[in-house]
Amino acid sequence: DTGVTQSPTHLIKTRGQQVTLRCSPISGHKSVSWYQQVLGQGPQFIFQYYEKEERGRGNFPDRFSARQFPNYSSELNVNALLLGDSALYLCASSSRGSYGYTFGSGTRLTVV
Amino acid sequence: QQQVKQSPQSLIVQKGGISIINCAYENTAFDYFPWYQQFPGKGPALLIAIRPDVSEKKEGRFTISFNKSAKQFSLHIMDSQPGDSATYFCAAVNTDKLIFGTGTRLQVFP
Repeated sequence: DTGVTQSPTHLIKTRGQQVTLRCSPISGHKSVSWYQQVLGQGPQFIFQYYEKEERGRGNFPDRFSARQFPNYSSELNVNALLLGDSALYLCASSSRGSYGYTFGSGTRLTVV
Repeated sequence: QQQVKQSPQSLIVQKGGISIINCAYENTAFDYFPWYQQFPGKGPALLIAIRPDVSEKKEGRFTISFNKSAKQFSLHIMDSQPGDSATYFCAAVNTDKLIFGTGTRLQVFP
């Protein structure tokens, strides 16, 4: 069991660019959630996917989108990057009906 | 808007002492209350969790106390160690979504 894997670990982008972040859940986990953690704050819920369907969406603009693949891995896309999008993006996986969310180490996104 | 309020923002404790972190919530629809520990450069890791029909849960040096009528819950770390130095987040779960508190930075000095 390798845990939740996120890539890349660090990323620097320019304002207006687009970024794709990737997440591989723990083997057997079919639910993947994305969170944004701004420095000094708690993580904020962005999306949850289960069986390739969106099951929840947080209060984020439409510039944020995500999808889940048949192997349960997931991608988070952010378009038209703003300076305020600079944050640690966390992916968490869980099995259905379980509250045991396991987080990856995150992707540190810096927008300049 | 669903919120979880956490205090204190930072905490300094001497080795062997008791660390206490408090949280309060507003939404009665929450059905699970976990605590997460986060080290710099890492994602949050589940420490201990409690359901609202239980008033206390203990795992090793970590204890959650839960007061449903007051909508408050707290984390007690007994015999605090320097290795416990980290940021702690309380959270509440509603329809598979985690609502996090603002975090408490704990520093344990030898």
